[in-house]
Amino acid sequence: NAGVTQTPKFQVLKTGQSMTLQCAQDMNHNSMYWYRQDPGMGLRLIYYSASEGTTDKGEVPNGYNVSRLNKREFSLRLESAAPSQTSVYFCASGRQTDYYEQYFGPGTRLTVT
Amino acid sequence: GQQVMQIPQYQHVQEGEDFTTYCNSSTTLSNIQWYKQRPGGHPVFLIQLVKSGEVKKQKRLTFQFGEAKKNSSLHITATQTTDVGTYFCAGLGNFGNEKLTFGTGTRLTIIP
Repeated sequence: NAGVTQTPKFQVLKTGQSMTLQCAQDMNHNSMYWYRQDPGMGLRLIYYSASEGTTDKGEVPNGYNVSRLNKREFSLRLESAAPSQTSVYFCASGRQTDYYEQYFGPGTRLTVT
Repeated sequence: GQQVMQIPQYQHVQEGEDFTTYCNSSTTLSNIQWYKQRPGGHPVFLIQLVKSGEVKKQKRLTFQFGEAKKNSSLHITATQTTDVGTYFCAGLGNFGNEKLTFGTGTRLTIIP
């Protein structure tokens, strides 16, 4: 099992460019999440999907869109990148049990110039 | 909204010393989870606590959940260089909406 995979690992964008971050999991989890991590800010939830076909906003959704393509895949799109979106992005998936522990991918380090 | 505060933000200890990080929530939690992130890595689930006053141990790590289910702590006894990293608590609210709220983390560095 690969667990949670993310592509790309690194990306540099110019302001105004768009891109999609890909995430896939092979653990048959219902729930998937996108977080961003900035120094001193911990992990902040951007969007999440409790099940295939549903998505909901998290704490910091502005400037992002998501697609839950199927049970395995959950993508994050930046339509018009801004320097404030420079961050490390983590995708996670979780079991729909009582406890919702999450499994994280390796992350995408994004720089917007 | 729910907020989870974690202190200290940084901790430098000599190898062999103990380490504790504290987590406080603005609201009552249904459970609290702890994650560890090694430098350059991704968060890895360590443990979850569900019951009021619960204490769990993993070798040198001791996790506690407060009686009011609003605070938690992680204590490491006799730190080793392998303990280096950032420790995050994450609280799950009582509304069944599956969203974890992460604390800001405590970065632990070990002086050999």
